[in-house]
Amino acid sequence: GAGVSQTPSNKVTEKGKYVELRCDPISGHTALYWYRQSLGQGPEFLIYFQGTGAADDSGLPNDRFFAVRPEGSVSTLKIQRTERGDSAVYLCASSLTAESSYNEQFFGPGTRLTVL
Amino acid sequence: RKEVEQDPGPFNVPEGATVAFNCTYSNSASQSFFWYRQDCRKEPKLLMSVYSSGNEDGRFTAQLNRASQYISLLIRDSKLSDSATYLCVVNPLGSGGYNKLIFGAGTRLAVHP
Repeated sequence: GAGVSQTPSNKVTEKGKYVELRCDPISGHTALYWYRQSLGQGPEFLIYFQGTGAADDSGLPNDRFFAVRPEGSVSTLKIQRTERGDSAVYLCASSLTAESSYNEQFFGPGTRLTVL
Repeated sequence: RKEVEQDPGPFNVPEGATVAFNCTYSNSASQSFFWYRQDCRKEPKLLMSVYSSGNEDGRFTAQLNRASQYISLLIRDSKLSDSATYLCVVNPLGSGGYNKLIFGAGTRLAVHP
């Protein structure tokens, strides 16, 4: 079956612009996660959705970052007034549920964001 | 101090070698532990979960020492296809919580002929 998909695969923008990154999870997965991976680092947790609600957004760096999942499936990560430091690969993952810590998270290919 | 620390490597080994990666974590309440594999410019993929009793999957063996807050991964008979970055991953909330994964920076492995 289809895995997690993310669009666009690459996004180049200018400092100060607004960007939206989309994630389409595996069908039937209720839990969705966003991570950010900078060069030479492991993925860093940003936000987690169980269904439509953001259950934990403690990893969002500041109020320029916002994410939604209005129908409990597709999610959009929104970044306002982008800064060069936002450049990274943004990874989305989904799991069947989040109720067991051993539910595997399946990652999408990521969106590589470059802020000039 | 980072929550999950790994030796960044790189580890350069010949085919057939045995190689071991180590990882330490800071949150003693952590309950779930994993090794993920990440190929260059690809997404991370689960390699194996790590259980207290230790577990083996073919050429791969994972060990957990809760007292020392230490996790290891042993790869026997290395193959060229094992070349990748290996990420040590901890779920700090464990069972009853949810899957918030904390990743180490990764250890890079290069297997050469």
